Amino acid sequence: SQQGEEDPQALSIQEGENATMNCSYKTSINNLQWYRQNSGRGLVHLILIRSNEREKHSGRLRVTLDTSKKSSSLLITASRAADTASYFCATGTGNQFYFGTGTSLTVIP
Amino acid sequence: EAGVAQSPRYKIIEKRQSVAFWCNPISGHATLYWYQQILGQGPKLLIQFQNNGVVDDSQLPKDRFSAERLKGVDSTLKIQPAKLEDSAVYLCASSLIRLAGDGETQYFGPGTRLLVL
Repeated sequence: SQQGEEDPQALSIQEGENATMNCSYKTSINNLQWYRQNSGRGLVHLILIRSNEREKHSGRLRVTLDTSKKSSSLLITASRAADTASYFCATGTGNQFYFGTGTSLTVIP
Repeated sequence: EAGVAQSPRYKIIEKRQSVAFWCNPISGHATLYWYQQILGQGPKLLIQFQNNGVVDDSQLPKDRFSAERLKGVDSTLKIQPAKLEDSAVYLCASSLIRLAGDGETQYFGPGTRLLVL
């Protein structure tokens, strides 16, 4: 499969803690994106990092990319109950775009 | 700004029947995508259009699935005949100009939940 693999599959933390989820992929990519999916708002784009970038920040989100290891991580700081959702990485190159298997995050109030 | 619209939201059919889903992308968006998301999995890209031309349909099971985007605006995805394993959520997305694979942000609709009995 050319999909990314997220790790862990499920994560449960207390509100205020940080959450880290990882993504590994198999082939060279142009960019990697993270998405969030919950029943309320559906699938929403969070952040994009290009293959020539190593780290990006957006609000409470921090994404890293290591192309030599074909891996990425998403860090959510100071988590909130509203962050409870499934998080997917997605890799893109030209007309190829693949979502990973997802991490289910539960933030306990 | 209105988001991506999809209909119907839910559909229950029996195997071997046919079904069609409709998508209206965000106004002005040139690129449109159809995804299949099976329960517990990530979305799988089925087909991509830029304007009314197909960019890639390599993961579309063409023996039973078809899609069209007439006039480069709204799109329909059809399954004929449906199988049990087609039970999934079908998501439509759009992006402004370039492809998601080139780094363009996609905006997703609410999806159509299909159950094949």
